Amino acid sequence: QVQLQESGPGLVKPSQTLSLTCTVSGGSISSGGYYWNWIRQPAGKGLEWIGLIYTSGSTNYNPSLKSRVTISLDTSKNQFSLKLSSVTAADTAVYYCAGELAIGRFDPWGQGTLVTVSS
Amino acid sequence: EIVMTQSPATLSVSPGERATLSCRASQSVSSNLAWYQQKPGQAPRLLIYGASTRATGIPARFTGSGSGTEFTLTISSLQSEDFAVYYCQQYNNWPPYTFGQGTKLEIK
Repeated sequence: QVQLQESGPGLVKPSQTLSLTCTVSGGSISSGGYYWNWIRQPAGKGLEWIGLIYTSGSTNYNPSLKSRVTISLDTSKNQFSLKLSSVTAADTAVYYCAGELAIGRFDPWGQGTLVTVSS
Repeated sequence: EIVMTQSPATLSVSPGERATLSCRASQSVSSNLAWYQQKPGQAPRLLIYGASTRATGIPARFTGSGSGTEFTLTISSLQSEDFAVYYCQQYNNWPPYTFGQGTKLEIK
């Protein structure tokens, strides 16, 4: 079955760009019928959807983050990535990648990776 | 953006009893609603989609109901592993997909 694993720096300085990668295993990122998502969760708080990328490369982003977010796909590595620019402390969160086999249905999820924004 | 409101914030229930969790949408989401369970230090797990369809491998004691703006997740005969935080999520009007703030189900 499809499994996801996030990776990337755990500490990012304010005003810099947060970069994370999600590696997909157990299936092809481009032929499994999934949409690929990023979701985040500040400590002790709820879930916030960041955006998704289709296997075509088209994207949809949360309007609240759209100006700062880029999600991309690397089919040769079976990975998709998140870039969030001009980060502040408010962007400190656990970041999850998740597959979406049908609209709105997030399954599976990666284990999550904590990113702290601090100087 | 559709706002999802869950109640109560914390629910205390004894093992073996029934738990009823509520989720309200700020406007109709039809049946395009999912429920997730999250345990400490873990990613959320999909329980219910389409308001009432259990995801693969989810026990029958989990039941989702509702449509429009009012939804309920019922867990009959609570097991120790069911104590967790539960989130609802709408996918009718997006972007963005939106989640409720969560209900913490704790042992009484």
